[in-house]
Amino acid sequence: QVQLQESGPGLVKPSETLSLTCDVSGGAISNNYWGWIRQTAGKGLEWIGRISSRGTTNYSPSLRGRLSMSVDTSKNQFSLNLTSVTAADTAVYFCARAGNYYDTSGSFLFDTWGQGTLVTVSS
Amino acid sequence: DVVLAQSPLSLSVTLGQPASISCRSNQSLIYSDGNTFLNWIHLRPGHSPRRLIYKVSHRDSGVPDKFSGTGSGTDFTLKISRVEAEDLGMYYCMQGTHGGWTFGQGTKVEIK
Repeated sequence: QVQLQESGPGLVKPSETLSLTCDVSGGAISNNYWGWIRQTAGKGLEWIGRISSRGTTNYSPSLRGRLSMSVDTSKNQFSLNLTSVTAADTAVYFCARAGNYYDTSGSFLFDTWGQGTLVTVSS
Repeated sequence: DVVLAQSPLSLSVTLGQPASISCRSNQSLIYSDGNTFLNWIHLRPGHSPRRLIYKVSHRDSGVPDKFSGTGSGTDFTLKISRVEAEDLGMYYCMQGTHGGWTFGQGTKVEIK
């Protein structure tokens, strides 16, 4: 069974870059889409973006311009970089599986999530 | 943009009693292939988020049958037939039909 684990610094200074990695275990990263979601105190869950195992990306319009994602199939992991962070980016960040190339049933759409990692933006 | 409105935003339930959460979309969630990609996600402190229901009414593996999802088009409902202590937490509907997935505001379920 696929399992996901987020990792990265828990504290980031304003204007700096937030970088997180999600390790995929128990299954291949290939042929899947992978996503990032965050939970803020005031806004609930917010979709950040997704990346395919081939590197194709889709980003939330509200974060496009500050956001980049990458995938490393040799390490079975994918990553998120968010630049110029502010206190509004303080959140619990989750990674999740966001679909499968060959599945049209929707059964892989956000079926598996990491436990989440709290990132605080503060000086 | 697709906006999902959940109600109620907070629910206090006696153990063993039923609970129901509504999710309404400002657009139809029927995809061009006829599928409706509406999921229900449960967030509980100390646990990874868990998908309970996908495509409106399909229960995920291991999810007890006390959870059921119904609805079509723009109106959807999650029902818990008998609430247990482990059911506390936040429940979110989310849509995967339209590009740029969106979530409802969440419903906080508390045990009386």
